[in-house]
Amino acid sequence: DIVLTQSPVLAVSLGQRATISCRASQSVSISSINLMHWYQQKPGQQPKLLIYRASNLASGIPARFSGSGSGTDFTLTIDPVQADDIAAYYCQQSRESPNTFGAGTKLELK
Amino acid sequence: QVKLLQSGAALVKPGASVKMSCKASGYTFTDYWVSWVKQSHGKSLEWIGEIYPNSGATNFNEKFKGKATLTVDKSTSTAYMELSRLTSEDSAIYYCTRGTVAHYWGQGVMVTVSS
Repeated sequence: DIVLTQSPVLAVSLGQRATISCRASQSVSISSINLMHWYQQKPGQQPKLLIYRASNLASGIPARFSGSGSGTDFTLTIDPVQADDIAAYYCQQSRESPNTFGAGTKLELK
Repeated sequence: QVKLLQSGAALVKPGASVKMSCKASGYTFTDYWVSWVKQSHGKSLEWIGEIYPNSGATNFNEKFKGKATLTVDKSTSTAYMELSRLTSEDSAIYYCTRGTVAHYWGQGVMVTVSS
């Protein structure tokens, strides 16, 4: 299975930029299609899709969220961070079955 | 709008089975795969498997083969997942989603396995 590695915690200040990384144990790209996706989950809620195929903003997601990367290294950027963004963030790959998720990064306030 | 409405929480005894539902609305049920995802308390997400309602075709994470059974009722646009031979390791929240890349999620079903 493809293993996705995320840092457990990221502390940021409101109004600053948050950069959350996800590294895959092997490439999750096919040609120019990057099969990495990002979700946000707040306590007591189901996850919400933020970014699909590495850089595409999901419906209804604010433009302060963006995604980048290819191959094995991907990044979710939140700029500027708002109080409502304090949550856990998960990456997911759909390049190979079973699709797998990272362990999650908890975004905390400094 | 697209909605996935899951059944309520379940308290089940070790060794028993549980069957949960996921009723879809707001889209053509037979056009999209339905996936199931497990989230153990305070932990990350695990993909269990998926079913294509139009044909009943399924794909599973090897880890959950023999544990999970996926079915659908096209007449009611409802997907089902049955978990068998439950142990404490199966206590978790289970989500259904539309598609592998989950643009839409159900609200989750909390399953507690306890005697």
